[in-house]
Amino acid sequence: AQTVTQSQPEMSVQEAETVTLSCTYDTSENNYYLFWYKQPPSRQMILVIRQEAYKQQNATENRFSVNFQKAAKSFSLKISDSQLGDTAMYFCAFALVGSNYKLTFGKGTLLTVNP
Amino acid sequence: NAGVTQTPKFQVLKTGQSMTLQCAQDMNHNSMYWYRQDPGMGLRLIYYSASEGTTDKGEVPNGYNVSRLNKREFSLRLESAAPSQTSVYFCASSESGAEREKLFFGSGTQLSVL
Repeated sequence: AQTVTQSQPEMSVQEAETVTLSCTYDTSENNYYLFWYKQPPSRQMILVIRQEAYKQQNATENRFSVNFQKAAKSFSLKISDSQLGDTAMYFCAFALVGSNYKLTFGKGTLLTVNP
Repeated sequence: NAGVTQTPKFQVLKTGQSMTLQCAQDMNHNSMYWYRQDPGMGLRLIYYSASEGTTDKGEVPNGYNVSRLNKREFSLRLESAAPSQTSVYFCASSESGAEREKLFFGSGTQLSVL
């Protein structure tokens, strides 16, 4: 079974600064996807970024980027130029390729961006 | 462009009552899912449906039943609600269930069982 661990229950950052959220996972499989989801107070689940395990290049989406270390089973999210709208719960998630999108989620990190 | 619509948004039940959570998507997706989210936890998969007419158990299926009524609709039924089923329930859909695609979520149903 796969597990996803987010060791930081809460974090805060000043507006315009950079913050990194940590995620580690455990699997014996080689082909999988990793995701970061954002859940603002509206409760909507929003995909932030996705990484294919077979790709060595780290995924980026505008101000969001990941540091994917496959050997260490680590998948951290870096948010640059933090904005007030980034305040949300952030969930790291894992899915095996061919699993029909059966996601395994971490417990989440509550990020607060302060003005 | 509604996406994934869940009803109701909030519900309070007494222990032992039954209810059905409704979910509909207008994107012609084949795959649909039900997840639950508990405080301090991420989402956990209850059931999913890879296509119309098929359903499969996820990580936490006990106490639930599902129906894939047609391609658009995927309902979740609690036959005899228990306090342990107090949670936020999310329905989601994707075109084919492949992880390379995007998963579309509804806005959730807050369920409290007293």
